[in-house]
Amino acid sequence: NAGVTQTPKFRILKIGQSMTLQCAQDMNHNYMYWYRQDPGMGLKLIYYSVGAGITDKGEVPNGYNVSRSTTEDFPLRLELAAPSQTSVYFCASSYSPDSYEQYFGPGTRLTVT
Amino acid sequence: AQSVAQPEDQVNVAEGNPLTVKCTYSVSGNPYLFWYVQYPNRGLQFLLKYITGDNLVKGSYGFEAEFNKSQTSFHLKKPSALVSDSALYFCAVRPGIILTGGGNKLTFGTGTQLKVEL
Repeated sequence: NAGVTQTPKFRILKIGQSMTLQCAQDMNHNYMYWYRQDPGMGLKLIYYSVGAGITDKGEVPNGYNVSRSTTEDFPLRLELAAPSQTSVYFCASSYSPDSYEQYFGPGTRLTVT
Repeated sequence: AQSVAQPEDQVNVAEGNPLTVKCTYSVSGNPYLFWYVQYPNRGLQFLLKYITGDNLVKGSYGFEAEFNKSQTSFHLKKPSALVSDSALYFCAVRPGIILTGGGNKLTFGTGTQLKVEL
């Protein structure tokens, strides 16, 4: 199993550009999550999904959108990138609420200038 | 609202000495508690969890954590630190029941950098 994979690893965007961060998992997990990690701030939940076709907002959803057309994929879309979105983005997945631990991808480091 | 506090930004310990990384939490009802470790330029890796049962839980790489309900704490411990344990450690909490269809959303602490020196 590859686990949770994320692409790209690094990206530099100009203000106002858009991009999609890709996330895929091959563990047949129903639940998937997007977090951002800022220095000294821990991880903040952006969006999550409890299954294909079902998504919901987390703590910091503004400026982002997600979709979940398959169990495996959970892309995160940034529209009109802003410097405040400079961060490291992690995707995670878990099988169900009863499968308590989440499995994380390696992250995408995004810089908006 | 649930929250997690990791009061130390950094913990320094000599190799071979015991280590403790502190965590306190606030959550409605019984907590589910977790420790994750992050090595440089990597994603978080699960170390251990407390769901119910014995207050002392054992996890990966020789780590253990003690749940203390009265002090609302879940400190991470290891009897003998290794240089390879140097990493960023996160404590996380979620309620023990799912109140809505929102999945097991975790609240993370801000992280504690552990530095183990020779």
